[in-house]
Amino acid sequence: ETGVTQSPTHLIKTRGQQVTLRCSSQSGHNTVSWYQQALGQGPQFIFQYYREEENGRGNFPPRFSGLQFPNYSSELNVNALELDDSALYLCASSTPPRTPDFGPGTRLTVT
Amino acid sequence: GESVGLHLPTLSVQEGDNSIINCAYSNSASDYFIWYKQESGKGPQFIIDIRSNMDKRQGQRVTVLLNKTVKHLSLQIAATQPGDSAVYFCAGTYNFNKFYFGSGTKLNVKP
Repeated sequence: ETGVTQSPTHLIKTRGQQVTLRCSSQSGHNTVSWYQQALGQGPQFIFQYYREEENGRGNFPPRFSGLQFPNYSSELNVNALELDDSALYLCASSTPPRTPDFGPGTRLTVT
Repeated sequence: GESVGLHLPTLSVQEGDNSIINCAYSNSASDYFIWYKQESGKGPQFIIDIRSNMDKRQGQRVTVLLNKTVKHLSLQIAATQPGDSAVYFCAGTYNFNKFYFGSGTKLNVKP
């Protein structure tokens, strides 16, 4: 197993609500990225943070936002939740050019 | 946009046989590729990687082949075991900025 942890494991929210997901990076990793994985599909890149600055973003609306803290932990915030936001959210940490290590994910269900 | 896709969604093999999982990518600028294994309820787990200046890399029971001419890579698993049953993803990147994942192939190993 990797040293990347995520919380919570599972979460149920109602449409229109806001949610914050958390990730603790592997020790020494300065880059964190977030992915959304819908059921039966591959992970889709949301964004990446390097030393607390966003340095890459996928095709996701602005209601998906994030933070990276000085200790390299990270948050993913999603506002105005929609049913299609139901997915497994994965956090991956690395120090490029090393391979990203993934956490176990947070399963978000929007009802 | 860039895409990394797989030819077969499901592959069933007999225990002890060799498995081959294929993947196609669209962006010829991709310079690094990874194969991940994902078991149910877990995050992707690194299997093997390859840089674009190589055409073959071997690990323990696994081999990755890269054909840049046709933008294709494959994962070969020797002597497939029941523990190899999972979903396998290929992912590609240029300069470690963001990783693009395929939709995955489910490998079923029959005892």
